[in-house]
Amino acid sequence: DGGITQSPKYLFRKEGQNVTLSCEQNLNHDAMYWYRQDPGQGLRLIYYSQIVNDFQKGDIAEGYSVSREKKESFPLTVTSAQKNPTAFYLCASSITSGTYNEQFFGPGTRLTVL
Amino acid sequence: AQKVTQAQTEISVVEKEDVTLDCVYETRDTTYYLFWYKQPPSGELVFLIRRNSFDEQNEISGRYSWNFQKSTSSFNFTITASQVVDSAVYFCALSEEDAGNMLTFGGGTRLMVKP
Repeated sequence: DGGITQSPKYLFRKEGQNVTLSCEQNLNHDAMYWYRQDPGQGLRLIYYSQIVNDFQKGDIAEGYSVSREKKESFPLTVTSAQKNPTAFYLCASSITSGTYNEQFFGPGTRLTVL
Repeated sequence: AQKVTQAQTEISVVEKEDVTLDCVYETRDTTYYLFWYKQPPSGELVFLIRRNSFDEQNEISGRYSWNFQKSTSSFNFTITASQVVDSAVYFCALSEEDAGNMLTFGGGTRLMVKP
């Protein structure tokens, strides 16, 4: 089955700790994205990558970091610098970064800071 | 700057009623794309439709239909004969040609269909 997997589904973190969210896709898509969703709000772009070994900041990149060493994988690290990390995180991918390409989303990871 | 507004934060209907979800957008680009996504309780966003700025033809897919009007910068979504399984949060999103494939999402409309 082709798709996007995110793990874990639920994640708890203590304040001051870094945590890494996994995102893997087997759709052979070039572009990948990370979004943050807060309760009752829309999605906001954190980082995106149009090709392996390249990525750009989105609207709310502060306190986050990413890597794109493989086409299939785009992990997101939430660092201790992120002031309010509790949120629902969604990973997405698209064939290319063209405007016309719909993005396919993973099931999400719900991060809670204790 | 681009902006997407979904003024209806929550809508509640009874099964079999028709319901329209509103979406109004702002953009200075002449080439852009509009999307609708569905987010069921499981959390994963499901792609529903894509429309480019040069195609104002309305589209129907089963019980779903979309009305794109450039004159009013609107891209409304209608569900006919709603069902309980339609209960979800629906997002409208905009992508401009100059912004690559970056999506700007509206705040979403939570639709509750009661039996």
